[in-house]
Amino acid sequence: EVQLVESGGGLVKPGGSLRLSCAASGFTFSSYSMNWVRQAPGKGLEWVSSISSSNSYMYYADSVKGRFTISRDNAKNSLYLQMNSLSAEDTAVYYCAREDQYCTEGICYAFFDYWGQGTLVTVSS
Amino acid sequence: QSVLTQPPSVSGAPGQRVTISCTGSSSNIGAGYDVHWYQQLPGTGPKLLIYGNNNRPSGVPDRFSGSKSGTSASLAITGLQAEDEADFYCQSHDSSLSTWVFGGGTKLTVL
Repeated sequence: EVQLVESGGGLVKPGGSLRLSCAASGFTFSSYSMNWVRQAPGKGLEWVSSISSSNSYMYYADSVKGRFTISRDNAKNSLYLQMNSLSAEDTAVYYCAREDQYCTEGICYAFFDYWGQGTLVTVSS
Repeated sequence: QSVLTQPPSVSGAPGQRVTISCTGSSSNIGAGYDVHWYQQLPGTGPKLLIYGNNNRPSGVPDRFSGSKSGTSASLAITGLQAEDEADFYCQSHDSSLSTWVFGGGTKLTVL
């Protein structure tokens, strides 16, 4: 059974830092790209960052570029998100999500087939 | 303001059929990018419901179906059940933003 378990959330002051972790099990972690998606209180989903299976490519939403760093350790089946210079706008539940692909007519489209339960990050003084 | 537009809420009685729309633009759905749908039950992480416009992952009942036309997509739920009450999100890719984009979410209430 695929399981994704996030941890590391909590209360942090504006300007502070936090490192989120996501422990993966039930699948070959090193074969999949992984993502972070966040959800502000009472709001919709916002893609944050993604990392390729082999650590070769990282992508970021404009809202976090330069402040957040995604990484992974395939030996430990773990995904991470280092968050610096946090502001109130970063307050959200952060989900890690596995990325799979659907290919048709030679073009492949990514979607998120498994999600964790999320970890809450609150940025407040 | 979400890039993909969904109605904030829909409702229906048990056994009825409801649809949830997802309207995009020429840089996402209209550009040919596929649409995926997620269901989020209260207090839980999202669950993949439909991928590639109209494909159901294993375990998702055939009461759920998706379609896409032009710059919009729709999720249909037939034979509504109380346990279907949840938030639903559409997702696609946007070529202008070079990122994945989500709809704002639709809350389904089973009356």
